[in-house]
This record gives sequence, C-alpha cells and structure tokens, in this order.
Amino acid sequence: DIQMTQSPSSLSASVGDRVTITCQASQDISNFLNWYQQKPGKAPKLLIYDAARLQTGVPSRFSGSRSGTDFTFTISSLQAEDIATYYCQHYDSLPYSFGQGTKLEIK
Amino acid sequence: EVLLVQSGAEVRKPGESLKISCKASGYSFTNYWIAWVRQMPGKGLEWMGIIYPGDSDTRYSPSFQGQVTISADKSISSAYLQWNSLRASDTAMYFCARFESAHSSGWFDYWGQGTLVTVSS
Repeated sequence: DIQMTQSPSSLSASVGDRVTITCQASQDISNFLNWYQQKPGKAPKLLIYDAARLQTGVPSRFSGSRSGTDFTFTISSLQAEDIATYYCQHYDSLPYSFGQGTKLEIK
Repeated sequence: EVLLVQSGAEVRKPGESLKISCKASGYSFTNYWIAWVRQMPGKGLEWMGIIYPGDSDTRYSPSFQGQVTISADKSISSAYLQWNSLRASDTAMYFCARFESAHSSGWFDYWGQGTLVTVSS
C-alpha cells in the first residue's frame, strides 16, 4: 500500500501569511493526489485535484504543486475562514489513503 | 443537485450489529463509485472501502477487510456500511463520498454529512 506522509501536523499562522503544507508519497503516484479542507463538524471539501488543478468555485489563493513524490499545498494569503484541517489523498491504487492531516490555526 | 444523505446517529453496545446508510440523489447512482471514510474522535480520515453500485464490485482497505461489509441497493440509490459485532473502537464519524473519475483523474467530489456511531456498554 502507498503511504502518504503529511507535514506539519499543526501550523499556526497570521492572516495574510503564506502557508505551505507538504505530502510525500512512499512511491511514484504521478499527479494522482488531491487536497481537501475539513472544518470542525463538517465533511471534507475538495480543493485541489490532480496535484495542481483548482476545483470549481475554490478561491485562487489555494494552489498545489508536485515535485517527484513530494506534493505541496499553498495558501498564498491566509484568511480567517481558512481555519481548518487539510488532508492530502492519493488515488494511484487502492486503498486511496489520506495523509495524517494538518491542523491550521490563526496566530 | 447531487446529494448524499446519511442515516442518523447511532448508539450501540459492544457485540451488537449495525447498518448505516447513504442515500444518493441528483445523479446516476450506478455510474459512480461510493466510498466510506472513518474519522475517529479527534483523528484523521481513514479510507475504508469503495463500491461500484452498477455491479456491486467492492474493494476494502486491508485495515478494514473482514471488519465491515459495504453494500449497495441500486433500486433505492443507497449504499450501506455494516458491522456484525461492534467494538468500542468502532466509535467514530463515518462519511460516505462519491468518487468522480475522468480520464485518469479521480476525486471525492460529494460527501454525506456523516453518521456518528457510538459504541459503549
């Protein structure tokens, strides 16, 4: 099974900051990686698919990129409403596992 | 409008059985995979398994194989997650999610609201 190592597990940043979260796959998964946002008590919401494609309706401050087996999720200018936990998830082969999550807080 | 509506919260005792549901509407139920995802209290998301309602092809994560049963009834556009003998460690929120695939891409685009299962003596 493919393992996704996500870091950091938590992050505190100020409004307006640039925030970066990373996910490393245990083997080559091409671009088969998605990023989700989960707010407390809610279901996850798809933000980025195919490593770098923005889901319709998602603000452009969110972006994703890939370098080999390393994937990066970026919020260019943190807003208060971005407080949530973020997860990567691969879909290269079953099981489609998630990263451990990154809890983002406002400083 | 695509909707996945899950059944309500459940409280059970260890050893009891349970079946929770996920009713789909607004799209062709038989043409999309549906997955189940577990979230234990204060923890992350765990992919449990997935079913294709069109032919009931079902795949499980090794971590959940033999522990749960995933099924679907295409006549009523519903997917199910079932336990024969619950444990306290099954206490969690369970989400269903539709898997959209296009060309070689795939993602969970619609999610149910979650079903909280509490197992306690």
